[in-house]
Amino acid sequence: DTGVSQDPRHKITKRGQNVTFRCDPISEHNRLYWYRQTLGQGPEFLTYFQNEAQLEKSRLLSDRFSAERPKGSFSTLEIQRTEQGDSAMYLCASSWDTGELFFGEGSRLTVL
Amino acid sequence: KQEVTQIPAALSVPEGENLVLNCSFTDSAIYNLQWFRQDPGKGLTSLLLIQSSQREQTSGRLNASLDKSSGRSTLYIAASQPGDSATYLCGGANAGKSTFGDGTTLTVKP
Repeated sequence: DTGVSQDPRHKITKRGQNVTFRCDPISEHNRLYWYRQTLGQGPEFLTYFQNEAQLEKSRLLSDRFSAERPKGSFSTLEIQRTEQGDSAMYLCASSWDTGELFFGEGSRLTVL
Repeated sequence: KQEVTQIPAALSVPEGENLVLNCSFTDSAIYNLQWFRQDPGKGLTSLLLIQSSQREQTSGRLNASLDKSSGRSTLYIAASQPGDSATYLCGGANAGKSTFGDGTTLTVKP
């Protein structure tokens, strides 16, 4: 098992553009989480899935953010009409139920 | 709403010293607490997971304790090495997700 994979590792975009991040969790894990982290802060929860069901979505997630996990495997996080305040590291993690969390290396977004 | 605080925010020690990092949480109804290490620009690497029924976990030079009643966890690092320099984060899991502190940035000087 190669762990949690995230793609792309770094994305630079202009304000107003749409971006999509992909996360491939550890294959046997049924839960997948998205977090956002800015410099000097801990990760902030965005949303999580159990299998294909999105069970919770943070109020931090505006209508411009959407996440999917079709078939309970990989997940995508899309940000529409990006703003400079969206610049951050987007982290994906997976677990089996409420067990140990494993994180990917993150996708860094820079909005110019 | 769960809030997690880590003290100190930064710590600098000479190589070989033993040290303790602190993590406090407001909601004691956590089902586990996990300690992570994060290197600059990287993701979080899991160090230790303590289930709510456990008091401590050990891995090599690391020992983590959990006291749910007081809302505290500590990470003890023995005989620190320059390679231990990183940011250490704790995450308390309840209501389906983990809530993290802002971390303690550790520098171990040779």
